[in-house]
Amino acid sequence: QVQLQESGPGLVKPSQTLSLTCTVSGGSISSGSYYWGWIRQPAGKGLEWIGRIYPSGSTNYNPSLKSRVTISVDTSKNQLSLKLTSVTAADTAMYYCAREGFCGGDCFNWFDPWGQGTLVTVSS
Amino acid sequence: QSALTQLASVSGSPGQSTTIACTGTSSDVGIYNLVSWYQQYPGKAPKLMIYEVSKRPSGVSNRFSGSKSGNTASLTISGLQAEDEANYYCCSYAGSSTLLFGGGTKLTVL
Repeated sequence: QVQLQESGPGLVKPSQTLSLTCTVSGGSISSGSYYWGWIRQPAGKGLEWIGRIYPSGSTNYNPSLKSRVTISVDTSKNQLSLKLTSVTAADTAMYYCAREGFCGGDCFNWFDPWGQGTLVTVSS
Repeated sequence: QSALTQLASVSGSPGQSTTIACTGTSSDVGIYNLVSWYQQYPGKAPKLMIYEVSKRPSGVSNRFSGSKSGNTASLTISGLQAEDEANYYCCSYAGSSTLLFGGGTKLTVL
């Protein structure tokens, strides 16, 4: 059964770059018609979609974050990564990675499973 | 793009049914049958409960059901149990390969 685990620094200084890795175990990141996504959640608030990547490297991003976000994939390591530049306190959140169902064309239909999440705090 | 709208909280008594609504627009919920629902306990990752408006993943109780009317999607939980007390989030495809989440609804089982 596929499992995901996020990792990365828990503290990032303002204006710096947030870098996280999601390691997929129990299955190949390249198998099946799945995308792999990042979602974040500020404490006590709702979920926000950040973006997704296909094993081929094709990406989609939230328009509100697009100028600062890069998602990449390393199929040899079964990992995907997230980089968010020029961070501010507003980027403080729990960051989750998740497998995303893809039913063809522009059909993205679910996130399952999710990683346990990693808390990133932006503070000097 | 604005987040989908959900009531901050709903409550119900054990054994009763309760419905959580998720309101979007004609550019997301209203036009795509790609609404999913997630259950989240405090300090835990979200769990998929419903996808494509009304489909239930294997292993999810049939007490959970989903529907949609116009720009509003709904999650109904029948036979409320104490373990259903959690936060619930809706998510919809919003075109141009983007997604929107709702702000979440806290369900309290009285």
